[in-house]
Amino acid sequence: EIEMTQSPASLSVSPGERATLSCRASQSVSSNLAWYQQKPGQAPRLLIYDVSTRATGVPARFSGSGSGTEFTLTINSLQSEDFAVYYCQQYNNWPPWTFGQGTKVEIK
Amino acid sequence: EVQVVESGGGLIPPGGSLRLSCAASGFIVSNDHMGWVRQAPGKGLEWVSALYSVGSTFYADSVTGRLAISRDNSKNTLYLQMNNLRAEDTAVYYCVRISGRYRTPNWFDPWGQGTLVTVSS
Repeated sequence: EIEMTQSPASLSVSPGERATLSCRASQSVSSNLAWYQQKPGQAPRLLIYDVSTRATGVPARFSGSGSGTEFTLTINSLQSEDFAVYYCQQYNNWPPWTFGQGTKVEIK
Repeated sequence: EVQVVESGGGLIPPGGSLRLSCAASGFIVSNDHMGWVRQAPGKGLEWVSALYSVGSTFYADSVTGRLAISRDNSKNTLYLQMNNLRAEDTAVYYCVRISGRYRTPNWFDPWGQGTLVTVSS
């Protein structure tokens, strides 16, 4: 089973600033990585798949990068609606599909 | 619009059984890969089970032998039969379509709103 580790656990950012979230896999997942956003009281929502492809309707301020074991989600010019928990998920070796423990982006 | 809607959650004593349902619209469940993901209170996401379009089923080690995934093609609905429930099964259960390039089961989209299962005496 591939273990996914996200850092930091939480991140305080001011509106308009940039947030950088990290995700590390315990072994290579190639480019088979997705990111999800979960707002309080809501279901998760697919943001990005295949490391850097934005899902339908996702604003361009969200971008993903990386390969192998190290991945980054960058949110440029944070908006109020971006404060949420973000999860990475690998789909290189499945089952099981595995998630990171999440990074909470909070308002500074 | 492509969407899934779960139902069937509730309060159940340890050792009890429950069946969750997931009604799909905008796509055909039997043509796609489907699954369930759960989230314990205040915790992260955990994949639980998957049902491929060809009928293959998969389960997380923590639920193998106790949970069973199935579908009713005539109702375009996915199910999760939960038996011998434990306190650690307490979570919101989300129904997901497992999508991917060339119909491989990769990422989860869309997600339902979730249904809460509470296992407690």
